[in-house]
Amino acid sequence: EDQVTQSPEALRLQEGESSSLNCSYTVSGLRGLFWYRQDPGKGPEFLFTLYSAGEEKEKERLKATLTKKESFLHITAPKPEDSATYLCAVQGGGSARQLTFGSGTQLTVLP
Amino acid sequence: DAGVIQSPRHEVTEMGQEVTLRCKPISGHDYLFWYRQTMMRGLELLIYFNNNVPIDDSGMPEDRFSAKMPNASFSTLKIQPSEPRDSAVYFCASRAHNEKLFFGSGTQLSVL
Repeated sequence: EDQVTQSPEALRLQEGESSSLNCSYTVSGLRGLFWYRQDPGKGPEFLFTLYSAGEEKEKERLKATLTKKESFLHITAPKPEDSATYLCAVQGGGSARQLTFGSGTQLTVLP
Repeated sequence: DAGVIQSPRHEVTEMGQEVTLRCKPISGHDYLFWYRQTMMRGLELLIYFNNNVPIDDSGMPEDRFSAKMPNASFSTLKIQPSEPRDSAVYFCASRAHNEKLFFGSGTQLSVL
């Protein structure tokens, strides 16, 4: 069974204070690791897909990295508008079309 | 495209009543997913369809839950009878083959 664990559960940062969110996973044959952002009252919004260890993707102040056991979402010089819940999900080889989600990290960036 | 459209946005009902949630996927997407989100369990996959055919409903919690997709542009998730523990946010999502998943805004269900 695919499993995803995210840490920390919640993170409070001052504006400009860089940090990283962790996503540890166990999966049978990784097809892809996904990062989503979820704002209150809305559905998750796609950020990145990573397919193999060593891969990195960047978008504005966010950079996602992947190893064989975990993924990091690095946030550089965050702004208050980056406040959201960040969800990690994996798609394994045994679940052809399903994503298994972690419980998320709730990020708050204070001005 | 308007994205994945769900209705209603909020539903408040009494225990024992039938609840029907609706979803219109993005045109051209051949996969449709129903998820449930709670504080305790996070996002859970309930069922998904490929080309309107249910592929995996192992996440449907009980026989009280049923889902249909009569055509490529419409799906329903029905709970009959509803119970307080069904209170959650229900999301519909769709995608094309091997593409990223797009979520709707969800239906906040409260069963009193």
